Amino acid sequence: DAGVTQSPTHLIKTRGQQVTLRCSPKSGHDTVSWYQQALGQGPQFIFQYYEEEERQRGNFPDRFSGHQFPNYSSELNVNALLLGDSALYLCASSVVYKAGSPLHFGNGTRLTVT
Amino acid sequence: GEDVEQSLFLSVREGDSSVINCTYTDSSSTYLYWYKQEPGAGLQLLTYIFSNMDMKQDQRLTVLLNKKDKHLSLRIADTQTGDSAIYFCAETGGYQKVTFGTGTKLQVIP
Repeated sequence: DAGVTQSPTHLIKTRGQQVTLRCSPKSGHDTVSWYQQALGQGPQFIFQYYEEEERQRGNFPDRFSGHQFPNYSSELNVNALLLGDSALYLCASSVVYKAGSPLHFGNGTRLTVT
Repeated sequence: GEDVEQSLFLSVREGDSSVINCTYTDSSSTYLYWYKQEPGAGLQLLTYIFSNMDMKQDQRLTVLLNKKDKHLSLRIADTQTGDSAIYFCAETGGYQKVTFGTGTKLQVIP
């Protein structure tokens, strides 16, 4: 049973560039959430996708956008990268109809913006 | 808004018990979680508890919840060097986003 998979594992970009991160949820999960984890901090909620729509959003600017595909996989896009966007980006999946369904995380994508 | 607080660091000797504490502010928190993060890895779910429970035990792990004080703790019995990691407390009201604490770094001294 494959868990949550993310790609790529590491990425280096320059300020102003755009980046796309990818996530495949755990088998049987239909909801994908994205989190940003800065060094030494806890994960911060970016947004959640279900049925190919953004259902809830955290306190992140519009430069952060996403997409969910019919197979439940998801992408996170960040435009006009800033140095402060350097972080570990974590994807987590869960089951929408099950209240309190724990998040299952991938190993993340380490983004470095120079 | 929601806030989850944890102490930053805990050091214990191998074989002792570790107790990691967490406080949260959201009175509508329904589900509370403990995650473990090892260097360079994502978050691994350790255990979780519903707000209508006071305690949950799972092998070496014991979770205690004091809903009145909004206090959650994780006890690890017979702590091993492999338990060294960062432990995150997290909460949610149900279908909403999950809010995480800043993490407690557990150092196990051989």
